[in-house]
Amino acid sequence: NAGVTQTPKFQVLKTGQSMTLQCAQDMNHNSMYWYRQDPGMGLRLIYYSASEGTTDKGEVPNGYNVSRLNKREFSLRLESAAPSQTSVYFCASSEGIGSTEAFFGQGTRLTVV
Amino acid sequence: DAKTTQPPSMDCAEGRAANLPCNHSTISGNEYVYWYRQIHSQGPQYIIHGLKNNETNEMASLIITEDRKSSTLILPHATLRDTAVYYCIVRFGGSEKLVFGKGTKLTVNP
Repeated sequence: NAGVTQTPKFQVLKTGQSMTLQCAQDMNHNSMYWYRQDPGMGLRLIYYSASEGTTDKGEVPNGYNVSRLNKREFSLRLESAAPSQTSVYFCASSEGIGSTEAFFGQGTRLTVV
Repeated sequence: DAKTTQPPSMDCAEGRAANLPCNHSTISGNEYVYWYRQIHSQGPQYIIHGLKNNETNEMASLIITEDRKSSTLILPHATLRDTAVYYCIVRFGGSEKLVFGKGTKLTVNP
């Protein structure tokens, strides 16, 4: 049982390049999330999807877009990467509203030069 | 969601109990207290949560004061593998969001 799988694990981009971070969960969860974590900081919510077909902004959505492709997959796109987006990105999932536990992936370490 | 305050760091001897405090003085009646931990930059891991009663599971115990303004996470017999950043989070029961602060860096020493 893989849980939450993120790809890639590491990525280096040049300023202005675009890329999509992939996330998939195999727990049949309704809700999925994207967080970023900067050095020495807690996680900050970028976007979330409460259910298939819906997405909502979190604390720091600027510069990102998301797609809830189906119930399993939730992708995060950087259209024009900036050095300020250098961070570790975590995807998470939970059963849904009021669920008690969120499960996190192992993270994608992104560097924008 | 209510704000939480945690000490930035704590130390604990291996085999002893680790008691991690959290203040959440503005918590409202329908907000839960959650604890997560993050080991070595891995993805955070759920530990425990509670509303007003004390809770215990195989990982830890959660003690919530009667006025609910603070709580303590207890790891009864800390091991070196418990070295991590511990996050106390207050979350409205119907909310989708977990809002993380900076947490407490717990170091378990041999």
